[in-house]
Amino acid sequence: DTAVSQTPKYLVTQMGNDKSIKCEQNLGHDTMYWYKQDSKKFLKIMFSYNNKELIINETVPNRFSPKSPDKAHLNLHINSLELGDSAVYFCASSQGPEAFFGQGTRLTVV
Amino acid sequence: AQKITQTQPGMFVQEKEAVTLDCTYDTSDPSYGLFWYKQPSSGEMIFLIYQGSYDQQNATEGRYSLNFQKARKSANLVISASQLGDSAMYFCAMRVRRDDKIIFGKGTRLHILP
Repeated sequence: DTAVSQTPKYLVTQMGNDKSIKCEQNLGHDTMYWYKQDSKKFLKIMFSYNNKELIINETVPNRFSPKSPDKAHLNLHINSLELGDSAVYFCASSQGPEAFFGQGTRLTVV
Repeated sequence: AQKITQTQPGMFVQEKEAVTLDCTYDTSDPSYGLFWYKQPSSGEMIFLIYQGSYDQQNATEGRYSLNFQKARKSANLVISASQLGDSAMYFCAMRVRRDDKIIFGKGTRLHILP
């Protein structure tokens, strides 16, 4: 009964590949996010969706494309992966006083 | 512009002592919420406590309390009777109503000493 679940937890892939990370929340929240945490632990917002609509796109390269098939899901597809994309990616959902994160996906591009 | 500042990159505290982690914020939006998260070495982001800008009382959750001083724009986290398991990275965050974006401070790494 995990509130926000994302898969996979680890992802190792070669430069130039395309990969996806899936996220699902069972909290009934309207807003979902993708965050990137760099090697210095800084958390930067990438995208925000509200009820399947894109609200925030924080100047993320076009190679990153979020998709929200319904309010409970927000997936992240990354094309032509680069070494600099290596990071931990967090999905989150939020409503009112609640904001919960998934367990994170550690992406390593080699 | 909205901003969260955590000025303590690292702290060392003796077990069972109380700990205060500093957080200041900046926003012109009158409606906002403040969050604290714990990130242990295992990597997950654990929600600890929330304070709304219009809440009259400071939030408390078990050993965690948020010292909210609105005029000073500070939202310090207080952990009472610290435990070894409290060793982790702690992040202060803010969401403003206008755009629903949650922004984070750079974090404070807390070490609890036995």
